[in-house]
Amino acid sequence: EAGVTQFPSHSVIEKGQTVTLRCDPISGHDNLYWYRRVMGKEIKFLLHFVKESKQDESGMPNNRFLAERTGGTYSTLKVQPAELEDSGVYFCASSQDVRGEQFFGPGTRLTVL
Amino acid sequence: AQSVTQLGSHVSVSEGALVLLRCNYSSSVPPYLFWYVQYPNQGLQLLLKYTSAATLVKGINGFEAEFKKSETSFHLTKPSAHMSDAAEYFCAVSFNDYKLSFGAGTTVTVRA
Repeated sequence: EAGVTQFPSHSVIEKGQTVTLRCDPISGHDNLYWYRRVMGKEIKFLLHFVKESKQDESGMPNNRFLAERTGGTYSTLKVQPAELEDSGVYFCASSQDVRGEQFFGPGTRLTVL
Repeated sequence: AQSVTQLGSHVSVSEGALVLLRCNYSSSVPPYLFWYVQYPNQGLQLLLKYTSAATLVKGINGFEAEFKKSETSFHLTKPSAHMSDAAEYFCAVSFNDYKLSFGAGTTVTVRA
């Protein structure tokens, strides 16, 4: 069974540009989460989807971040426009149930220059 | 507010020696507690989880952790380190079963 996959694995962009990160959860997992680890800091929760609905987006830093999950399958996280402080590793996780184990993807390392 | 503190950002142990990674949490209510491990170029993998069923929790790869309410701690141990244990380890807490709050992580290096 395929695990959580994320694309791209690395992205280097300039300040002001737009970047879209993609996450494909484990098939059948209704719950999808985004987390972020800024360099030298803790991994922080960004938001939680149940199917296509955002259940909790309390961790989203600001309105430059937009997450979607069309059709309740894969999810995208768009940063527009990117700022230097957005650099970090963005993790996606999925779980079958809201109380179930969260399975994490390898992350996307975003560098904003 | 809930928080998690991992003592020591780097730990170096000899192969065969005890691995001890420290985690303390601050909370007014008992949380769910987790240890995750991240090997290079891989996602976080759940090592073990405390859900109040037992204070000593056994996980994968020979790791275990003990919940001590009086010390608000959930330290991770492994009696004998193996080279394959070299990785970054994260302690995490949750109160609502989905939003994980992580510590800063501890990188373990194993010396031959």
